[in-house]
Amino acid sequence: AQKITQTQPGMFVQEKEAVTLDCTYDTSDQSYGLFWYKQPSSGEMIFLIYQGSYDEQNATEGRYSLNFQKARKSANLVISASQLGDSAMYFCAMRESLSYNQGGKLIFGQGTELSVKP
Amino acid sequence: DGGITQSPKYLFRKEGQNVTLSCEQNLNHDAMYWYRQDPGQGLRLIYYSQIVNDFQKGDIAEGYSVSREKKESFPLTVTSAQKNPTAFYLCASSLHWEGRNSPLHFGNGTRLTVT
Repeated sequence: AQKITQTQPGMFVQEKEAVTLDCTYDTSDQSYGLFWYKQPSSGEMIFLIYQGSYDEQNATEGRYSLNFQKARKSANLVISASQLGDSAMYFCAMRESLSYNQGGKLIFGQGTELSVKP
Repeated sequence: DGGITQSPKYLFRKEGQNVTLSCEQNLNHDAMYWYRQDPGQGLRLIYYSQIVNDFQKGDIAEGYSVSREKKESFPLTVTSAQKNPTAFYLCASSLHWEGRNSPLHFGNGTRLTVT
């Protein structure tokens, strides 16, 4: 079963508008972390934002915010005021239990390709 | 500047040859990871290492091997046993494996093509 599901293979947004990228996850752990990364066409992975399962408030970082709905197991990324430079692949990822054998690894979704139109 | 260096950026090999991808970090991070990315796909974990001289198999370890003799270095060998080695390989590190909010920091990747 997929641990992280991103149901939107591709999205389009007009420059200066907001866009929401969906992410749902599956875990039986009570304590976990959720991450979003951006991957431009050059290939590097850029960390955007983090949400802990026990965080009471939704995470925000500049134009990025996370719409975290724990009961629904969703952690959607909201990008406000889209810019042309936001065009990239976006990945949602989860870190589950912190046993040594899990090693702090991240499990990634399939990604959503965002295209910003001028 | 601190960071993760992967070399080379592009690598070409003939089928049947082993090839080693380099990953070096100067962030003083304990944990290091290797992921594989195929076109249009997410990242899949190959191997990871929480501390020096210890490493563990990820989800797709078959046909790969690693070593962690130094904290800074985590080379990945793609052996001839790997059936579909052509892919984009990303190395990452994390300050502590047990830090729940500690993000992975990634290198710029190596694009391996085997013909």
